[in-house]
Amino acid sequence: GQQLNQSPQSMFIQEGEDVSMNCTSSSIFNTWLWYKQDPGEGPVLLIALYKAGELTSNGRLTAQFGITRKDSFLNISASIPSDVGTYFCAGLPYNTDKLIFGTGTRLQVFP
Amino acid sequence: ETGVTQSPTHLIKTRGQQVTLRCSSQSGHNTVSWYQQALGQGPQFIFQYYREEENGRGNFPPRFSGLQFPNYSSELNVNALELDDSALYLCASSLGAGTYNEQFFGPGTRLTVL
Repeated sequence: GQQLNQSPQSMFIQEGEDVSMNCTSSSIFNTWLWYKQDPGEGPVLLIALYKAGELTSNGRLTAQFGITRKDSFLNISASIPSDVGTYFCAGLPYNTDKLIFGTGTRLQVFP
Repeated sequence: ETGVTQSPTHLIKTRGQQVTLRCSSQSGHNTVSWYQQALGQGPQFIFQYYREEENGRGNFPPRFSGLQFPNYSSELNVNALELDDSALYLCASSLGAGTYNEQFFGPGTRLTVL
């Protein structure tokens, strides 16, 4: 099945550092979403983006909907231990609610 | 407000067997979507049920089938299990279908096929 290209695949950072990850697609999406998944749990929505160029924040998280509508970015500032987990982007093609997920970025934060 | 629940938590089956996974949607939600998440991968859309009817299907064979009940809970059935069916199966509930409505995920059922 189709999956979005997400990078990096994994990150090992020190507490307090900033984190950036991105997601690219060969096709246009109308909506971009960012989820976090902890082990043994389902994904939890962090940020939803609905317009090209949109920049949205949720606490220390900031995400952007790329101008080309084929990419999106997530930044986490001043990382803390509870940021550990796997982050997924997901896109929605026009007029559908069938999510297409990225391959995930696994984040480890060291004290 | 009760969140999305799934049962069982874990399941072990052998090749060729059949399995039924269950999902209770969040209170007030009428749409359930099912996803398969292989180890180290993102979830892949299997199908969606809206008001007891299938409303879209991903690239999965017919041996993956489902049901939605009048209370909007749902079942995922997989026949003739294959080793590659080993995965975390997630259901997500939402209110409405056709356009984006936030989907709330359950914790998943971990299926192992031996």
